[in-house]
Amino acid sequence: KQEVTQIPAALSVPEGENLVLNCSFTDSAIYNLQWFRQDPGKGLTSLLLIQSSQREQTSGRLNASLDKSSGRSTLYIAASQPGDSATYLCAVYGQNFVFGPGTRLSVLP
Amino acid sequence: NAGVTQTPKFQVLKTGQSMTLQCAQDMNHEYMSWYRQDPGMGLRLIHYSVGAGITDQGEVPNGYNVSRSTTEDFPLRLLSAAPSQTSVYFCASSQRQGGEKLFFGSGTQLSVL
Repeated sequence: KQEVTQIPAALSVPEGENLVLNCSFTDSAIYNLQWFRQDPGKGLTSLLLIQSSQREQTSGRLNASLDKSSGRSTLYIAASQPGDSATYLCAVYGQNFVFGPGTRLSVLP
Repeated sequence: NAGVTQTPKFQVLKTGQSMTLQCAQDMNHEYMSWYRQDPGMGLRLIHYSVGAGITDQGEVPNGYNVSRSTTEDFPLRLLSAAPSQTSVYFCASSQRQGGEKLFFGSGTQLSVL
């Protein structure tokens, strides 16, 4: 059974810092991986989708990498801003999506 | 463009009551799904559908029923609510099954007393 973990569970950084969020999965037989953002009381918003054949995807200040063989993905956020404060979740797709529990990020002004 | 619309946003039920959570999307997506989100556990798949008339079970289907009579709508029914079903429920859709970009509704917070 696929299991997805995210470390750390919570992270607090000052504005302007570059930061890395981690996602690990136990079964490398995945088709793709998706990173989401969730604001309090809201639904999830897809940020980046990486196919299994890709190594990374970029969108603005966000860069996500995928190392399928080691079962790891990272989400890099450059020059963090208070508006980046949210919970970030990763999900891997094999037969269905399996989600990690998320990393709660606080960016302090 | 409304995207994925869920109703209601909040609901309180007594044990044994039944109710239907509504989900509608206006993007002509083939794939629709229901998740529940519990603290520290991530989202877990309840049921999903790959098209009108086709549904299948996810990881935690017990106590829930679904149907898909149209492309747009995918309601989730709780037949006899239990306190263990207290959770936040999300509906999500994508163009097709296969791990495409998922679009989420804003969620329904359900409490079962």
